[in-house]
Amino acid sequence: RKEVEQDPGPFNVPEGATVAFNCTYSNSASQSFFWYRQDCRKEPKLLMSVYSSGNEDGRFTAQLNRASQYISLLIRDSKLSDSATYLCVVLRGYGQNFVFGPGTRLSVLP
Amino acid sequence: EAGVAQSPRYKIIEKRQSVAFWCNPISGHATLYWYQQILGQGPKLLIQFQNNGVVDDSQLPKDRFSAERLKGVDSTLKIQPAKLEDSAVYLCASSLRTSGGEQYFGPGTRLTVT
Repeated sequence: RKEVEQDPGPFNVPEGATVAFNCTYSNSASQSFFWYRQDCRKEPKLLMSVYSSGNEDGRFTAQLNRASQYISLLIRDSKLSDSATYLCVVLRGYGQNFVFGPGTRLSVLP
Repeated sequence: EAGVAQSPRYKIIEKRQSVAFWCNPISGHATLYWYQQILGQGPKLLIQFQNNGVVDDSQLPKDRFSAERLKGVDSTLKIQPAKLEDSAVYLCASSLRTSGGEQYFGPGTRLTVT
């Protein structure tokens, strides 16, 4: 089993739709959690950190469930520009390294 | 603020040849990472430096890969000899601090081994 797993995708949704991505991690000592976005043939960029209480940034909402070792990302009112691969990233522990999930590809269709 | 610089952007070599990639992190960033990203997969950490010391190189295939960050600033990743399965994008990233800080990625070097 991989340390970080994500919905396999791809997700093809119409503009304006709400879409949710799921991510699970196996290392219970993991400390910090992030969602990165990677456009085709580009480098990953931080979308948002994920906090224990959940957090929202505009149309994006991230949730963390430590008991279930589960992270989610919700995108409301999808835009064409949201089309990208979304990477779930876990920091194993203090001074440890980041582990990336395989990514879930989203295509928002007109 | 200048971002993470990498060169070359593209490289095509034959198997068994050698290749080197260069990375210059964001000024002041103590932590530097090299990742390998194979098509359709997420980035896999190869090596992590804190200043000029290695923090983690557990996933670096040391029989053929080497990396250094001699002055705690820029870094070089080398593959010698290359195999077909080394075809990937090699991403360099840096962060201000080791734990929990945002990573900033360079544009990557796309390596094709034929």
